[in-house]
Amino acid sequence: DTAVSQTPKYLVTQMGNDKSIKCEQNLGHDTMYWYKQDSKKFLKIMFSYNNKELIINETVPNRFSPKSPDKAHLNLHINSLELGDSAVYFCASSQEGTVYNSPLHFGNGTRLTVT
Amino acid sequence: QQQVKQSPQSLIVQKGGISIINCAYENTAFDYFPWYQQFPGKGPALLIAIRPDVSEKKEGRFTISFNKSAKQFSLHIMDSQPGDSATYFCAASMDSNYQLIWGAGTKLIIKP
Repeated sequence: DTAVSQTPKYLVTQMGNDKSIKCEQNLGHDTMYWYKQDSKKFLKIMFSYNNKELIINETVPNRFSPKSPDKAHLNLHINSLELGDSAVYFCASSQEGTVYNSPLHFGNGTRLTVT
Repeated sequence: QQQVKQSPQSLIVQKGGISIINCAYENTAFDYFPWYQQFPGKGPALLIAIRPDVSEKKEGRFTISFNKSAKQFSLHIMDSQPGDSATYFCAASMDSNYQLIWGAGTKLIIKP
């Protein structure tokens, strides 16, 4: 069983479009995240949701909006896509509590290409 | 002060050799130092982690060495195998604030 699953795996779209990426975790974790990995492999946290409440919102453009219908799902909506949004987006989850016992579990990523 | 500096950016090691990746940090409040391994097309996965109350942690062929006074920690992969070829990330955090501060990653290639 896939612990953290993302769809779609690949997303190719044109500038100006609006798109969504879906994420689901079946680990029973309390916290979910969105990360952006650029072409140089650098990982940047974008959002974190704990029990359906936003607890981290790093300086990302407000064109990006996370939506969590329940604690097992965290979707990412992107409006007015720009070329610079091209990257791999990872969803992750962890259990609330001490960080020592709760590693991040990542999905396999969504490669977004904006043309 | 929040940065974690990782080196080298890329590394090529012969099969059977020792791979060494280094990380340095500034914030002395960090108390959790994990290493994540990422294969192409996959998300990062926790490989091994250490807390500053020990100087070394070993799991199979993977060892973290931690130098608290120098504010450095490193990953050693003994008897490196082609299957170890991946990108490795070090990170750091404070338990009171879960947010992980990530290194820039090291692309490791093990030549057969």
